[in-house]
Amino acid sequence: DTGVSQNPRHKITKRGQNVTFRCDPISEHNRLYWYRQTLGQGPEFLTYFQNEAQLEKSRLLSDRFSAERPKGSFSTLEIQRTEQGDSAMYLCASSSSDREGGYTFGSGTRLTVV
Amino acid sequence: AQTVTQSQPEMSVQEAETVTLSCTYDTSESDYYLFWYKQPPSRQMILVIRQEAYKQQNATENRFSVNFQKAAKSFSLKISDSQLGDAAMYFCAYRSRLAYALNFGKGTSLLVTP
Repeated sequence: DTGVSQNPRHKITKRGQNVTFRCDPISEHNRLYWYRQTLGQGPEFLTYFQNEAQLEKSRLLSDRFSAERPKGSFSTLEIQRTEQGDSAMYLCASSSSDREGGYTFGSGTRLTVV
Repeated sequence: AQTVTQSQPEMSVQEAETVTLSCTYDTSESDYYLFWYKQPPSRQMILVIRQEAYKQQNATENRFSVNFQKAAKSFSLKISDSQLGDAAMYFCAYRSRLAYALNFGKGTSLLVTP
């Protein structure tokens, strides 16, 4: 197992375009999380999946953001009509409910909206 | 919402010396988890150490140990025998046992000098 994988590593898009990121968690992990990190800040929670169910969403997750985790495996995060304020690092993490608290993070997708 | 405060934006330590990073948090809960994460320049967050609030004993992982003061809501990280590879951003994080989101502080940048 190579850990949590995120693609793409970098994405540059024009304002108003839609973007989609993918996260492949550790295979035996049933929990998956999305975070956003801006420069000089700690990561901020966006949303959480247990298997395929989206159980928690932050107020930061506006209606332009949508996340899915079909079949409880990989997850996608889509941002519609991107704005410059969406520029950030988007981090995915996964964990197992068998071991509380032990999150493994991916390397992130750096989004730049121009 | 629980807040996590890291009052030291930057810290510096000489190789082989010991350094302590500070973290305080605000919560009305009695059962929760606390974490220290390391984020090297490559950007992947790595779990350094984890503490469960109901455990009195301070967690230790090799050269890393914590001083958990529950009444004072303080959770400091001590790095002994500092190595050049310890240079990174260090984030303190809180997680309620009742929720899944990690609340991060703003981080402390640790510089290790030869």
